[in-house]
Parts: sequence; C-alpha cells; structure tokens
Amino acid sequence: EAGVTQSPTHLIKTRGQQVTLRCSPISGHTSVYWYQQALGLGLQFLLWYDEGEERNRGNFPPRFSGRQFPNYSSELNVNALELEDSALYLCASRLGTSGSYNEQFFGPGTRLTVL
Amino acid sequence: QKEVEQDPGPLSVPEGAIVSLNCTYSNSAFQYFMWYRQYSRKGPELLMYTYSSGNKEDGRFTAQVDKSSKYISLFIRDSQPSDSATYLCAMKNSNSGYALNFGKGTSLLVTP
Repeated sequence: EAGVTQSPTHLIKTRGQQVTLRCSPISGHTSVYWYQQALGLGLQFLLWYDEGEERNRGNFPPRFSGRQFPNYSSELNVNALELEDSALYLCASRLGTSGSYNEQFFGPGTRLTVL
Repeated sequence: QKEVEQDPGPLSVPEGAIVSLNCTYSNSAFQYFMWYRQYSRKGPELLMYTYSSGNKEDGRFTAQVDKSSKYISLFIRDSQPSDSATYLCAMKNSNSGYALNFGKGTSLLVTP
C-alpha cells in the first residue's frame, strides 16, 4: 500500500512569491493535516481538512491556505512568502475523524527555502 | 508557555544503553499520547501511542504516562545505532480528528 506522497521534494523561492505544495493521502483516508516544521520550533499544526472541508487551522496568518479535492488530495498555498516560512512542510493523512484512535501517517515532506 | 515541553538534546549514548526520553505538558485535557521517530530528511513515523496512565511495552520500547504529573516518557532498551533519530512526543485531547500537539523533539545519537 502506497504511503502519503508529497510534491515537490524541495523548493526554493524568493520573498514575496507564492508557492503551492501538494499531498496525496493514503488510499481510503479522508482527513489530511498540514504541519510546519521550522528549525528550532518543532512541528506546528497548520490546517486540517476532512471530506473536502477545512475543519480547523492553527495559529498562522491567512496567507497560509489550502483546499482538499474530491479525491481527498490536498494543496497548501502560501502567499507573500517571508524568510521565516523556510521550513519542512509535512502532510499527514488519517482514516476518518470519528471512533477510536486512528494514527496520522506522515509523508516525507516538502522542504521550502525562502531567499 | 508551550503546551508540550521536550528537551531538544542532543543526547548521546553508547550502544546497548537504556535511553530515557521525556515530555511534560500543561493541558490536562490531553488524552492520547504518542511517540514518533523521525530520521533525517524523512517524515515522522509512529512508534507508540497510549491512552491511559501506566506503561505500554512494545519490543525494546516502553511508553509511560503519568497523567497526575502531566509527564510522559519513552524508554529504549538495548539501544542500537539504528535508533539514532529525533524522537517527538505528541498528544491530543480527544479521539476525534483534532491535530496533534508536538514537542520540539529530542535528537538521539547511539554510538557503536
């Protein structure tokens, strides 16, 4: 069974530009989470999508946005890039939202460098 | 104050040593506790999760939760060089799809 996939692997952008990151969840998983892992800050929750709807967002400005498509894949968009947006962006998928504990499976991440 | 605190290390131990990794938390609503392992340039992978206070064992790994002290631990017995990675504790406050709250991670190096 294929795991969570993310593209691209690496990305270099300059300040002020816009970027789109992509995530394909494990087949059958309907929930997708986005996390930012910046140096020294640990993983911080960005966005949670389930069944095409945004369910929750973390403490990030509105220039961080995204969406989930009918096939449950997801995009993360970051506008007006700033230097501090340089980080590893991780996507995780989960089997639904209700019932007992279900693990979040992480992809390999997209490393974004903003110059 | 962050909700989840974890000493970033680095922690260096000789092969075969017992490793103890710890996290404290402030949110008493947290109910699910997890340990993830992250190798360099990879995404985190789940090692263990626990729901209740007490110990849970899986091979060389033991997860311990003390809800009264808001303290969780991961013990690694007979540590191997392949255990060298960053270990992240994570927790959340219900069995629904809420996001995980992570510690900053502890970098572990096991030397041969």
